[in-house]
Amino acid sequence: GEDVEQSLFLSVREGDSSVINCTYTDSSSTYLYWYKQEPGAGLQLLTYIFSNMDMKQDQRLTVLLNKKDKHLSLRIADTQTGDSAIYFCAEVGSGNTGKLIFGQGTTLQVKP
Amino acid sequence: DTGVSQDPRHKITKRGQNVTFRCDPISEHNRLYWYRQTLGQGPEFLTYFQNEAQLEKSRLLSDRFSAERPKGSFSTLEIQRTEQGDSAMYLCASSLIETSGHEQFFGPGTRLTVL
Repeated sequence: GEDVEQSLFLSVREGDSSVINCTYTDSSSTYLYWYKQEPGAGLQLLTYIFSNMDMKQDQRLTVLLNKKDKHLSLRIADTQTGDSAIYFCAEVGSGNTGKLIFGQGTTLQVKP
Repeated sequence: DTGVSQDPRHKITKRGQNVTFRCDPISEHNRLYWYRQTLGQGPEFLTYFQNEAQLEKSRLLSDRFSAERPKGSFSTLEIQRTEQGDSAMYLCASSLIETSGHEQFFGPGTRLTVL
């Protein structure tokens, strides 16, 4: 079945890089996404990567995709306290619906 | 356009009551999705519409749940005879099928508490 897994918690110091990891199961996923959720809020789309790409960079964000191992990572450079949030990776589910299958989320704590 | 909006933001109800939530997607977005998120979990897909047609429903969507998108614009999600297990954040998202990344943009959610 479709499943997405993430580590639950990551703590870093302000200014360091953060790396959030995710594994997924559906090898036919065409797109993979990273969302950010702050307390009590909805999900903010950060970035996405197409499955035929290995890497995508967008300002402080770098997404790496290892399709063979079905592993996705999000690197945040120069992490700031405002980056403290829950980060979700998501894959597109099977069929042509576009529905997203989410991981359980990684809580990023940034210490000053 | 300011993005996806949802109303109400919070709803407290007693067990057995009916509740209805509304979602206004980004204008001209032809797909609209409903998800449910419980504490400490990622969102789970409930159902989606392409224009006014409801094309898929999750097994999570019991017969007490019904969703509509009558004119292909806003959508409503109704829960009848609410149960304590229905307490969750209900999220709506919209997308434009023609965009290359099929990105879904989420609203702020409606938090439901069933007492």
